[in-house]
Amino acid sequence: KNEVEQSPQNLTAQEGEFITINCSYSVGISALHWLQQHPGGGIVSLFMLSSGKKKHGRLIATINIQEKHSSLHITASHPRDSAVYICAVSLRNTGNQFYFGTGTSLTVIP
Amino acid sequence: EAQVTQNPRYLITVTGKKLTVTCSQNMNHEYMSWYRQDPGLGLRQIYYSMNVEVTDKGDVPEGYKVSRKEKRNFPLILESPSPNQTSLYFCASSSVLGLAGLRPYEQYFGPGTRLTVT
Repeated sequence: KNEVEQSPQNLTAQEGEFITINCSYSVGISALHWLQQHPGGGIVSLFMLSSGKKKHGRLIATINIQEKHSSLHITASHPRDSAVYICAVSLRNTGNQFYFGTGTSLTVIP
Repeated sequence: EAQVTQNPRYLITVTGKKLTVTCSQNMNHEYMSWYRQDPGLGLRQIYYSMNVEVTDKGDVPEGYKVSRKEKRNFPLILESPSPNQTSLYFCASSSVLGLAGLRPYEQYFGPGTRLTVT
């Protein structure tokens, strides 16, 4: 069983395209996190959400608690956005334990 | 510069030889955690700590030990490594928020330690 499912697993886009990555989870959560893993392996946190929507530059993250679903959108994609995007949840009952999706590998072609 | 450091970055060892991977953060974060990343399985949490002397098991704690004697350090100990512990390991830290039930905020990740056990 996997508490966190991401789709698609792989995504190739042309520069400038609007990109959506989806995350569904099956457990009660206290928060959902989106992470970016660079080709060199380093991981950075993009967003932490418990409701609604957040925006940083060209990145937008939304969450629907009732549907247990979150999306990460990238507007005007650029080759430097090429990375693996990982969804993670912290559980409501044990709010300090994390479960992760297996990631979405994004390649943006110039 | 705010950072999480891990050492060593690369390690090749043999089955049964005890090893420690160190993790240190300079942001005075309460929450620290260890993860392993394996192809096809993604990141999985090994152990986490909410503060000094407070540690809890994650999803895959078997074969690992941790300690949190100082707020800045959270070493990962493999008492008797086995080949199935070959993996990429990440340490992370974050502040915590919330009055009714503390929970970790956005995490800062270390650069990773690639461990091979032969």
